[in-house]
Amino acid sequence: LAKTTQPISMDSYEGQEVNITCSHNNIATNDYITWYQQFPSQGPRFIIQGYKTKVTNEVASLFIPADRKSSTLSLPRVSLSDTAVYYCLVAGSSNTGKLIFGQGTTLQVKP
Amino acid sequence: ETGVTQSPTHLIKTRGQQVTLRCSSQSGHNTVSWYQQALGQGPQFIFQYYREEENGRGNFPPRFSGLQFPNYSSELNVNALELDDSALYLCASSLGEGNSPLHFGNGTRLTVT
Repeated sequence: LAKTTQPISMDSYEGQEVNITCSHNNIATNDYITWYQQFPSQGPRFIIQGYKTKVTNEVASLFIPADRKSSTLSLPRVSLSDTAVYYCLVAGSSNTGKLIFGQGTTLQVKP
Repeated sequence: ETGVTQSPTHLIKTRGQQVTLRCSSQSGHNTVSWYQQALGQGPQFIFQYYREEENGRGNFPPRFSGLQFPNYSSELNVNALELDDSALYLCASSLGEGNSPLHFGNGTRLTVT
């Protein structure tokens, strides 16, 4: 499974756009990139998943360059409730559910 | 649709005891994965069950064992509890195909004294 590297922590203010970048230099051809959000004392929650280029849903966008060695999670206009830990994971279909979580990025949104 | 539910939410055990944690999968999901999350760390993969068979295991000793039932619910059993087993235990279900995302429960907080 590809190892990922992301910043340990980030600070932002309400209303700003937040971009969290994840490096995955050893990503395999059939690997997808998935982001999860976790609040204290809760299980991680799926945010977004992508393979290449750009994916957008109602809560976030995921930007993946052509070489796929990194990805950027973009959260538009964050609010205090977006304060959480964000995990970037890379896995292929053969490893679905057998995910290797790092320490994630702790995002602190300030008023 | 019903999400992933885990029971109990909190549990206190003594070192050397045994514990059983339970998980009900999200409707339609046939794959269950278990994770251990220590305070301040990311979840660590314990094992996965697909259609009642173990389908992958992380770096955990044999005293961590599991079961999956015909209705796809699951149990995690831990024998001979150690202090370091104190953690949040997370269950996640998925469709088990392609790159279907995991749906996590809110976990069982186990404290070993």
